[in-house]
Amino acid sequence: QTVVTQEPSLTVSPGGTVTLTCASSTGAVTSGYYPNWFQQSPGQAPRALIYSLNNKHSWTPARFSGSLLGGKAALTLSGAQPEDEAEYYCLLWYGGTWVFGGGTKLTVL
Amino acid sequence: QVQLQQWGAGLLKPSETLSLTCAVYGGSFSDYYCNWIRQPPGKGLEWIGEINHSGNSGSIKYNPSLKSRVTISVDTSKNQFSLKLTSVTAADTAVYYCARGDHISGLGHWGQGTLVTVSS
Repeated sequence: QTVVTQEPSLTVSPGGTVTLTCASSTGAVTSGYYPNWFQQSPGQAPRALIYSLNNKHSWTPARFSGSLLGGKAALTLSGAQPEDEAEYYCLLWYGGTWVFGGGTKLTVL
Repeated sequence: QVQLQQWGAGLLKPSETLSLTCAVYGGSFSDYYCNWIRQPPGKGLEWIGEINHSGNSGSIKYNPSLKSRVTISVDTSKNQFSLKLTSVTAADTAVYYCARGDHISGLGHWGQGTLVTVSS
């Protein structure tokens, strides 16, 4: 059973920078896991932010970026806005199947 | 503009079969995989499976934990794909989402979600 682990919760100040991470129980995350990141506000469907590690969708705000950090996938938010308060999920590809992380609740306070 | 619209029965009894359909409007249906994902109330997301436009067995992948009960199929003539989950229990109560994409392009476009409740 593959497990993908994210921080349960993080807090960032308005205008601040925060990094969310995504770890795999199988070992270091690489670009070959094609990490995706999603944002979900209460009552809404998830919204895709990042795909294939560091690629942004056309609607993704510039303040979001994806990378690898210490063997994990990472989502960095630079210049946090109040509307960025939400749940964030990572998604990793295991050669044909996908596994979601448990989610990180991000508070902007 | 790509849009996914999904529908299906929202209330089931234990042991019944869940059935949902997702239609894809706009963009190229044949260039991407179609995925099903679910989210139990107050919990995280769970990937259920995916299929591409060919619908052949090699193009269908399932979450191992659900594989024995899940069937995903595609109707390319209607740009639709479907999910069936047999022998449902209360643990299958969730919002079910369809999403288009693959490991190269990412799961960029999602349906609006359908709440399926399993209750006797």
